[in-house]
Amino acid sequence: QVTLKESGPALVKPTQTLTLTCTFSGFSLSTSGLRVSWIRQPAGRALEWLARIDWNDDKFYSTSLKSRLTISKDTSKNQVVLTMTNMDPMDTATYFCARMHPYSDWGQGTLVTVSS
Amino acid sequence: DIQMTQSPSTLSASVGDRVTITCRASQSFSNCLAWYQQKPGNAPKLLIYKASSLESGVPSRFSGSGSGTEFTLTISSLQPDDFATYYCQQYNLSSPWTFGQGTKVEIK
Repeated sequence: QVTLKESGPALVKPTQTLTLTCTFSGFSLSTSGLRVSWIRQPAGRALEWLARIDWNDDKFYSTSLKSRLTISKDTSKNQVVLTMTNMDPMDTATYFCARMHPYSDWGQGTLVTVSS
Repeated sequence: DIQMTQSPSTLSASVGDRVTITCRASQSFSNCLAWYQQKPGNAPKLLIYKASSLESGVPSRFSGSGSGTEFTLTISSLQPDDFATYYCQQYNLSSPWTFGQGTKVEIK
């Protein structure tokens, strides 16, 4: 059974750096062809794809957020970490991690609020 | 990035209606196009991948078609469980991915 779970702070202040961890089980990110993405969704608004890391350590970022994002993996811990710098209230959203393409397995999401 | 434009943004329909949602890409790409259904409070559910392949367990009333820059999700006969928001996503493997802005299917 594949599971993914997001963890990180529920509240961050403007200008701070957000660090989110996706801890997964049921697969290894060292397996060829697998990849994990981060996606976010402000309340009542659309999904926004943020970043992904592939089994071979290739990394891809949303062009609009590339300067603020860093994605990394720790294969031994079955974790993928996303950092987002210079947080703004507009970054308030539910953040999901997901194993996608192939497969479609999502975490439950974690709500991050940016407020002073 | 390849930008995805969905239409309409909202759709009002009745049970039994045939429903079509369109997704247009800013540039032509492979058939790496997926459709998701999302209900409030839940993560998205994959319906269609590779533009027209039905995900296992998804009812056959859902179908996908298209290529190049224009893709379509069709629900052949809308059921009560289908009232939700639908998103397209391009997942070209050598580039960043993007979602469309969503289509909310409401009860007429």
